[in-house]
Amino acid sequence: AQSVAQPEDQVNVAEGNPLTVKCTYSVSGNPYLFWYVQYPNRGLQFLLKYITGDNLVKGSYGFEAEFNKSQTSFHLKKPSALVSDSALYFCAVRDPTLIFGQGTTLQVKP
Amino acid sequence: DGGITQSPKYLFRKEGQNVTLSCEQNLNHDAMYWYRQDPGQGLRLIYYSQIVNDFQKGDIAEGYSVSREKKESFPLTVTSAQKNPTAFYLCASSSLRTGKTDTQYFGPGTRLTVL
Repeated sequence: AQSVAQPEDQVNVAEGNPLTVKCTYSVSGNPYLFWYVQYPNRGLQFLLKYITGDNLVKGSYGFEAEFNKSQTSFHLKKPSALVSDSALYFCAVRDPTLIFGQGTTLQVKP
Repeated sequence: DGGITQSPKYLFRKEGQNVTLSCEQNLNHDAMYWYRQDPGQGLRLIYYSQIVNDFQKGDIAEGYSVSREKKESFPLTVTSAQKNPTAFYLCASSSLRTGKTDTQYFGPGTRLTVL
């Protein structure tokens, strides 16, 4: 069965520093991977997805993700974190509906 | 959240009552989905529909029912058979133009609390 794992419940970074939110996947065949962000008591907002092609995917709000087939990872990154990036982040794989990771809370401190 | 509306935002239910959560989309999407979110457990799929008058069970369909009479609407009924219905419920939709690569877009959610 397809699955994704987010090994960190929470990530803490200082504003202005780079951030990484980790995601690993287990799929048979080609993976279709997604990142979403959720602010408190709100729905999920789509950030980016990997379908095929370039391993570095650029998305909304300055986020990007790197697909690494050998490490079966799809980590979310941003060069310079903002306090407003503080939220809950979900990685998901399409199979054919979305299978979500447990979520990672990102806390950016000023 | 744009294009997908859910109502109500907050819903309170007494034990033994059925309640219906509304989800409407104006994105002309073919597929619609219902997810349940509990703290620390991510999102779990309840039901989904790819075409009017047809729907499939997800991972946790027991105690829930849906209908898809119109392309724009996919209401979810939480029945009294659902043992622990207190949760945050999210509706999503997607086109089916490219199948697995289509992005799902989410509504703002309904928080259901059983009193």
